[in-house]
Amino acid sequence: DAGITQSPRHKVTETGTPVTLRCHQTENHRYMYWYRQDPGHGLRLIHYSYGVKDTDKGEVSDGYSVSRSKTEDFLLTLESATSSQTSVYFCAISQGLAGEDTQYFGPGTRLTVL
Amino acid sequence: AQSVTQPDIHITVSEGASLELRCNYSYGATPYLFWYVQSPGQGLQLLLKYFSGDTLVQGIKGFEAEFKRSQSSFNLRKPSVHWSDAAEYFCAVGAGDYKLSFGAGTTVTVRA
Repeated sequence: DAGITQSPRHKVTETGTPVTLRCHQTENHRYMYWYRQDPGHGLRLIHYSYGVKDTDKGEVSDGYSVSRSKTEDFLLTLESATSSQTSVYFCAISQGLAGEDTQYFGPGTRLTVL
Repeated sequence: AQSVTQPDIHITVSEGASLELRCNYSYGATPYLFWYVQSPGQGLQLLLKYFSGDTLVQGIKGFEAEFKRSQSSFNLRKPSVHWSDAAEYFCAVGAGDYKLSFGAGTTVTVRA
């Protein structure tokens, strides 16, 4: 298994509070991704990073921000959590090789916003 | 932009029977195609992938998938399922831009 950890694994928070989720990798992969998983929607890309300090939006980026100050860490922040952000969040990594962009996933973080 | 459809939300299969999960994609060029499996409470594990070459791809756990360009499909098969194959399966398509689009998933239940 790829060396990817996510913290926390579970979190319950209240509407309006800030929340930061952390993804840590030991593979030195260039690309890192944040997805959310909701029933009936599969996985949807929130944000991704293609290098330190290089990030871009995915299809469901509203209400989320990210930062990557080191190759191994990719943070997802909900500035003011809402109930619609209750979901399971997955981090993924890939090497970013041309013609070979297999993504490997972390164990997930279950976030509940009350 | 590319997209993926998994027409079956839920499939129930008897242990020892064959399994086929359907995946249809929409993309103008040759896509990169993936199947992932997710056991309850776990992350996604890569089963197999197609980038080019032989259109029949072998994966882990006895799974295989066939890329059919004419049908825009990448169906997953297993000749004989085991109870441990009960999980959710996701098909994904990539366009070479380092991003993937996922289908909504198919949940497989295995009955004894």
